[in-house]
Amino acid sequence: DAKTTQPPSMDCSEGRAANLPCNHSTISGNEYVYWYRQIHSQGPQYIIHGLKNNETNEMASLIITEDRKSSTLILPHATLRDTAVYYCIGYFGNEKLTFGTGTRLTIIP
Amino acid sequence: DTGVSQNPRHKITKRGQNVTFRCDPISEHNRLYWYRQTLGQGPEFLTYFQNEAQLEKSRLLSDRFSAERPKGSFSTLEIQRTEQGDSAMYLCASSLGGSAETQYFGPGTRLLVL
Repeated sequence: DAKTTQPPSMDCSEGRAANLPCNHSTISGNEYVYWYRQIHSQGPQYIIHGLKNNETNEMASLIITEDRKSSTLILPHATLRDTAVYYCIGYFGNEKLTFGTGTRLTIIP
Repeated sequence: DTGVSQNPRHKITKRGQNVTFRCDPISEHNRLYWYRQTLGQGPEFLTYFQNEAQLEKSRLLSDRFSAERPKGSFSTLEIQRTEQGDSAMYLCASSLGGSAETQYFGPGTRLLVL
C-alpha cells in the first residue's frame, strides 16, 4: 500500500469549503485513493474514493492530480458536524485498510 | 440495510478475565474485518474473513486472541487473560469484496481493562 502523508491538523470556518490535502507519491497504478473520516468515539465512515478521475458524491469531492501523487478532499460547505479525523488511504481492494494518523479537521463557528 | 452492528458497545473488565465481542455485518457482505484502535492512532488491522474462512491474521493478534465466523454471518472476537495493554476500541467492518471494495465500519466496542 502507498504511504500517505497528511497534515496533522487543520481549521476551517463553518460554511466555507474545507480542502484536505494528501500526498501519496508512491501510489501504484491500480491503487485507489480512499477517504474515511472518524467522528469522536465512532467507527470510521466511508466518504469517497477514486482512481484517476475526479469524483463527487453527496458528501464530498475528490480531486486527484494527473500524476496521481497527491489528492485533495473537498467538503464544499463545512458544518460543525464535519469536525473529525480524516484519513487518506491507498488501497488495492480485497485486503486490509492501512490507516495513518490522519488530519484532525476542526470546523470553527 | 441496517449497517454493521457491534456488541457490547462498552466493556470494563479486570485483568486476567476473558471477554468476547460480537460483530453483525451488513447482510450479504461476505468479507468481515477486525481492527483495533488505541488513543490517538488510526485503526490497525487484526484479521479478516471471507465467508467463514479466516484468511489473514496480523502479528498483533497474539495467541490470546481468537476470532470466528462460524456460518459466514456474524463474527466473534475473544480475548483470553486480558491485559491492560488490550484496552482499546475494537472495530469491525464488512464489505462485498471485489475490486475497489468499500469497507463499512461498525460503531466499535470500547474495552477497558483494569
